Amino acid sequence: SYELTQPPSVSVSPGQTASVPCSGDKLGDKYASWYQQRPGQSPVLVIYHDHKRPSGIPERFSGSSSGNTATLTISGTQAMDEAQYFCQAWDSNTVAFGGGTKLTVL
Amino acid sequence: QITLKESGPTLVKPTQTLTLTCTFSGFSLSTTAVGVGWIRQPPGKALEWLALIYWNDDTPYNPSVRIKLTITKDTSKNQVVLTMTNVGPVDTATYYCAHFSSTTGNYYVGYFDFWGQGTPVTVSS
Repeated sequence: SYELTQPPSVSVSPGQTASVPCSGDKLGDKYASWYQQRPGQSPVLVIYHDHKRPSGIPERFSGSSSGNTATLTISGTQAMDEAQYFCQAWDSNTVAFGGGTKLTVL
Repeated sequence: QITLKESGPTLVKPTQTLTLTCTFSGFSLSTTAVGVGWIRQPPGKALEWLALIYWNDDTPYNPSVRIKLTITKDTSKNQVVLTMTNVGPVDTATYYCAHFSSTTGNYYVGYFDFWGQGTPVTVSS
């Protein structure tokens, strides 16, 4: 099965830029999506097709992908961005999720 | 406006069969490139994809649990049903259904853009 690897945690100061990486074999050749999950809530799609933002997602959320790594970037991080972030991709007609990264805004 | 809502038992005994229903509105499962998926999340753990059903009745499953799962749809009722046989304590989780969209020309490649609120299931005797 296809594996996506994320660091368990990332910390960022308010107003700074947070980067959350997701690695997988030839991930840059697939489409990555990202989901935000706040405690007790359902996941919310924040990035799809590597870098596209759904309607209603703030512009400070962006995505990129190359080689074996996809990256979610949050510019001007706010306290409300503190959450768990999961990456997701497709391989061999199956869905894979990363293990999740807890973003802490200190 | 797309909405989805999961329903089913909150407590199931080991070895029993779990049946979960996703009732949705705001879209049709007969529309090309649309699907509904099931994803679960054990307490404090990561998301795990279980199954997906497409508008054309194609049904990919997670190979690690494939043998236990069946996903079906009732287009007239706007419902998708997931059946899981022989459940055990490891199946304790919150179960989500989600709307799947694909826009790349390969309908297998897409994302879950709308999620239900989730339904908690505990497997215990």
